[in-house]
Amino acid sequence: DQQVKQNSPSLSVQEGRISILNCDYTNSMFDYFLWYKKYPAEGPTFLISISSIKDKNEDGRFTVFLNKSAKHLSLHIVPSQPGDSAVYFCAASGRREGGSEKLVFGKGTKLTVNP
Amino acid sequence: ETGVTQSPTHLIKTRGQQVTLRCSSQSGHNTVSWYQQALGQGPQFIFQYYREEENGRGNFPPRFSGLQFPNYSSELNVNALELDDSALYLCASSLSRGRNEQYFGPGTRLTVT
Repeated sequence: DQQVKQNSPSLSVQEGRISILNCDYTNSMFDYFLWYKKYPAEGPTFLISISSIKDKNEDGRFTVFLNKSAKHLSLHIVPSQPGDSAVYFCAASGRREGGSEKLVFGKGTKLTVNP
Repeated sequence: ETGVTQSPTHLIKTRGQQVTLRCSSQSGHNTVSWYQQALGQGPQFIFQYYREEENGRGNFPPRFSGLQFPNYSSELNVNALELDDSALYLCASSLSRGRNEQYFGPGTRLTVT
């Protein structure tokens, strides 16, 4: 049962335009969400996170929006650059006994930014 | 500041063998988590270590085991390797077991033949 879903395996945008990556989750116990970027032959790199007490978090060109009622979050990249081409993973976590922070990942969306 | 490092980079093993993967956490981080990423999938949580003790485990059989050392580095051991264990194994470190971002190493690519 996939608790975190990224329904678009790939996305292609033009340089300078907005990239919007979407993520849905099913577990209402999730209260912390993260986006990671992964280049080939490298580990995932942390991009941005958001707590469930917020509905928006911004960091430079990256903004994450959270819609708790819809169990949906999105990552906006503005403006998109060719160096943003990578696989983007959405991840979620919820409070666990013992405090361990198990991250549950989606399958990823491959973003291609064309010059 | 040194990031998360993992060794080896690649490994080929035969079914039934045992393997040990190693991870050095980022400076100042005392929590290490291990993930398995199969081809075309997102990383899946194996387990987490905090101050040398297992602190949460995912849906993996007991033949997946680990250790964390006093310097917070960690090992992942897999016994009786199966073909389905072929994957990228990722180690991530974080400041504490609480609500902190996890920082990943480059991974170890394990192939079981």
